[in-house]
Amino acid sequence: AQSVSQHNHHVILSEAASLELGCNYSYGGTVNLFWYVQYPGQHLQLLLKYFSGDPLVKGIKGFEAEFIKSKFSFNLRKPSVQWSDTAEYFCAVTPRGGYQKVTFGTGTKLQVIP
Amino acid sequence: DVKVTQSSRYLVKRTGEKVFLECVQDMDHENMFWYRQDPGLGLRLIYFSYDVKMKEKGDIPEGYSVSREKKERFSLILESASTNQTSMYLCASSSRWTENNEQFFGPGTRLTVL
Repeated sequence: AQSVSQHNHHVILSEAASLELGCNYSYGGTVNLFWYVQYPGQHLQLLLKYFSGDPLVKGIKGFEAEFIKSKFSFNLRKPSVQWSDTAEYFCAVTPRGGYQKVTFGTGTKLQVIP
Repeated sequence: DVKVTQSSRYLVKRTGEKVFLECVQDMDHENMFWYRQDPGLGLRLIYFSYDVKMKEKGDIPEGYSVSREKKERFSLILESASTNQTSMYLCASSSRWTENNEQFFGPGTRLTVL
């Protein structure tokens, strides 16, 4: 079975600071990888995804993530955060194919201070 | 736009009551999922279904059951609610036929068991 580890539980940044949130997974086969975001009081929504091709993927609102297969990592980055990025971020992994059971990490709460 | 709706945003029940949480999706998705979200624990999969009348246990199925009589509807049942089932419950759906198996989430039901 797959598992996901998010190293940072709570991150506080000032506006314009750079962001990197760590995500590592364990699974022996091919995977699809996701970052989801939950803004205060809103639905969980997809930020970006990787399933094949270029390991550097770009998502909404200036976020990007890099899949490093050798490190089983899929870290989320943003060069300059805004107050509106305050949210909880979840990394998720699912094996390619099959019945697509998705495993989520425990989440990272990001607080951006104006 | 994919829409996943859940029958209630907030629900308060008493210990021992039978509780039904309903989820409906309008994108003809084959896969549907029930998660619970708790602070510091992320999203944990309770049950999922990959077709009508089919169900699979997730990581924490104890105390829950599900029903999928129609493709668009997936119900979560708490046979005898207990206080440790107080949580946010999220429903999600995804297509079996897309390679990236992105999940689409409902707004959640915050259940309080007294």
